[in-house]
Amino acid sequence: QVQLQESGPGLVKTSETLSLTCIVSDDSIKSYFWSWIRQPPGKGLEWIGYIYYTGITEYNPSLKGRVIISVDTSKNQFSLKLNSVTAADTALYYCARGAGDLDAWGQGTLVTVSS
Amino acid sequence: DIVMTQSPLSLPVTPGEPASISCRSSQSLLHRNGQSYLNWYLQKPGQSPHLLISLVSNRAYGVPDRFSGSGSGTDFTLKISRVEAEDVGVYHCMQALQTPYSFGQGTKLEIK
Repeated sequence: QVQLQESGPGLVKTSETLSLTCIVSDDSIKSYFWSWIRQPPGKGLEWIGYIYYTGITEYNPSLKGRVIISVDTSKNQFSLKLNSVTAADTALYYCARGAGDLDAWGQGTLVTVSS
Repeated sequence: DIVMTQSPLSLPVTPGEPASISCRSSQSLLHRNGQSYLNWYLQKPGQSPHLLISLVSNRAYGVPDRFSGSGSGTDFTLKISRVEAEDVGVYHCMQALQTPYSFGQGTKLEIK
């Protein structure tokens, strides 16, 4: 059973770049789409975007071009970068396997944006 | 963008009783391939969400058959035939017809 693990700083300063990595426990990274989803405290889920191992990506336009998702197949991992962060980007960030049908999720990592 | 609306947002249920959650989309989720791209996720307290049902009615691996999904077009329903204590949590519907994919607000099921 595949496992996903997010890692990255839990605190990011306002206007700086949020960077997270998701490590995939098996070598299925070339077989699926891979997604990022976030959940602000006490709120619902927000789709951030996805990537395929070939580099095909789709992003949520609500993030106004601030997001980049990349993949490193040699390390079985994919990453999220969100620049120019504000307090509104404070959330629990999840990585997941799949595009629409997200059949495996990481445990989530809380990222707080503060000055 | 497609807006997803769930109701109710809070659902207290007595164990053994049925439960039903509605999810409506602002436009049809029917793809030209005949599939409707509506999925359901359950987020148990303190846990990540997990997939319950995909493509309206297909239970994910290991999901008990007391969970069922139905609907078409813009109206979808998740039903639990007999609620158990382990079913507590927040249920999220999600449309995957077109990007940006979007979720409903979530329905919190609690045991009376």
